[in-house]
Amino acid sequence: KAGVTQTPRYLIKTRGQQVTLSCSPISGHRSVSWYQQTPGQGLQFLFEYFSETQRNKGNFPGRFSGRQFSNSRSEMNVSTLELGDSALYLCASSFGTPEAFFGQGTRLTVV
Amino acid sequence: GIQVEQSPPDLILQEGANSTLRCNFSDSVNNLQWFHQNPWGQLINLFYIPSGTKQNGRLSATTVATERYSLLYISSSQTTDSGVYFCAVARAGKSTFGDGTTLTVKP
Repeated sequence: KAGVTQTPRYLIKTRGQQVTLSCSPISGHRSVSWYQQTPGQGLQFLFEYFSETQRNKGNFPGRFSGRQFSNSRSEMNVSTLELGDSALYLCASSFGTPEAFFGQGTRLTVV
Repeated sequence: GIQVEQSPPDLILQEGANSTLRCNFSDSVNNLQWFHQNPWGQLINLFYIPSGTKQNGRLSATTVATERYSLLYISSSQTTDSGVYFCAVARAGKSTFGDGTTLTVKP
């Protein structure tokens, strides 16, 4: 069974640009969550989607948004990038129980 | 929100030694997981353990939900055990991670 797949693995963007990250969950998993990991703030919850609906949201500005498609794949968008958005973005999927399985992450660098 | 504290923040061991990592949380939770973050950043599931005790090879974990803590035991440590260990708890659909314990196992 394939794991959680995140694309791209690495990304370099310029301040002010926007970026879209993709996450394909484990087959059959309907819940997808996104996290940001930085050296200063650690791992922080961004949001969770279930059956195409945002079910929970962390404390991030509106520049961070997401969506989920009918096949459970999810995308995360960050608009008007700032240097502080440089981070490892992790996606996790789950099915039934709250046990989450993580992808390899997308490392975003904003210059 | 829920506070999660992990201790110790750093741990250095000789190969073959045993260790105990602790995770304290400030409120009742319906999910607790332990992860090992590999050098490439991926979080590897170790245990899903909202309560009770589980074992997987040299690793075992115990969560005492009523006292709001969990312990991860690593026995006969190997250099490949090095890395950052995270505890994560969830309540009402929101997950909170601790700051992690960085384990270094020396040969």
